[in-house]
Amino acid sequence: GNSVTQMEGPVTLSEEAFLTINCTYTATGYPSLFWYVQYPGEGLQLLLKATKADDKGSNKGFEATYRKETTSFHLEKGSVQVSDSAVYFCALRKLGGANNLFFGTGTRLTVIP
Amino acid sequence: GAGVSQSPSNKVTEKGKDVELRCDPISGHTALYWYRQRLGQGLEFLIYFQGNSAPDKSGLPSDRFSAERTGESVSTLTIQRTQQEDSAVYLCASSSTSSYNEQFFGPGTRLTVL
Repeated sequence: GNSVTQMEGPVTLSEEAFLTINCTYTATGYPSLFWYVQYPGEGLQLLLKATKADDKGSNKGFEATYRKETTSFHLEKGSVQVSDSAVYFCALRKLGGANNLFFGTGTRLTVIP
Repeated sequence: GAGVSQSPSNKVTEKGKDVELRCDPISGHTALYWYRQRLGQGLEFLIYFQGNSAPDKSGLPSDRFSAERTGESVSTLTIQRTQQEDSAVYLCASSSTSSYNEQFFGPGTRLTVL
């Protein structure tokens, strides 16, 4: 089946610290991979995506590389800001069939000044 | 432009009652999805509509759950005879045919069954 496992939180970092949120997946075939973010009081929004192996998605200083050999899509940022405090969800969309997303449980990040 | 909207934002109901949740997708988006997020869990897929095709209902947890969509516009998710385990945030998302890789989510409806 299709599933996503992501690092459990909560994660608390000081401003300018390095961030890694781990995400691994199980899927048949070659899914597309995503990170969604939910800022306080707002809806889920797409942060970045990668659609094939070795692709790197990037946005707002965040990066994640689609690693087929380790079935991973870890989220990284070199220097977090207070405004990055949010809940981050890793997700996959399998090819074919319904286009629904399979989500991880979310990781809450709090960045303190 | 307008994003995905959902109503109500909060709904408190008594066990055994029926509830209806509404989703207005982004205009022109042919694909519409319903998800559920229970406390401490990830989002669970419920149902998917694509244009005039038969919906994919594979994620609906029981026959108490049903959803309809009028053409390529509004969708309603109905839960009959609500149970306490139905308490969750119900999220709606839409996407265009040209880019299934980006789903736009609404703010959700928080359902509490007492």
